Amino acid sequence: GQQLNQSPQSMFIQEGEDVSMNCTSSSIFNTWLWYKQDPGEGPVLLIALYKAGELTSNGRLTAQFGITRKDSFLNISASIPSDVGIYFCGTRTGRRALTFGSGTRLQVQP
Amino acid sequence: GAVVSQHPSWVICKSGTSVKIECRSLDFQATTMFWYRQFPKQSLMLMATSNEGSKATYEQGVEKDKFLINHASLTLSTLTVTSAHPEDSSFYICSARGGLAGVEDAYNEQFFGPGTRLTVL
Repeated sequence: GQQLNQSPQSMFIQEGEDVSMNCTSSSIFNTWLWYKQDPGEGPVLLIALYKAGELTSNGRLTAQFGITRKDSFLNISASIPSDVGIYFCGTRTGRRALTFGSGTRLQVQP
Repeated sequence: GAVVSQHPSWVICKSGTSVKIECRSLDFQATTMFWYRQFPKQSLMLMATSNEGSKATYEQGVEKDKFLINHASLTLSTLTVTSAHPEDSSFYICSARGGLAGVEDAYNEQFFGPGTRLTVL
């Protein structure tokens, strides 16, 4: 099946620092999504991307759909303690189910 | 809007028993619902795709006779884990997608339930 390579696996940063994570694949996709999952909860959609090259922001979060359609990145600026969680990238083609990356576990030191 | 609920939020059962998990879309009609399983420190793995009024489509390696899925209405899908065993202990998460075919925006993406923690003793 489709495989997404998400990196880094985990990050431990100081409050106020910026964070960057990315997902790559050998396949081309029409959609890139970024979700955040808090412990014991389901994922929550942060940003949805539908066009190659698209750059979209949601507050302190910014995500881009790579030009090649094989990658995407998510940036978090000025991190705060509540940014702690696991961030997943997700992709799909058409209305099919999502394929998720392995996740990036973010910890923020106050 | 776009709220998905799951019930129960956690369940503990004895080996050999069956457990039913409900997934409801509270404020929209979901033509398609998805069931995922997540083991500790791992990503979500799709188990099956459930379309209202038709049989579910299972992913390779997922036993359809063990994980029974029913999507009888546009707001409810159920997953029944039959004859549960300790290796079935996991976090089960559903998602629901409504929206219009051909329309791509964040409102038509999958919205996830809060998950159900299943522990089989």
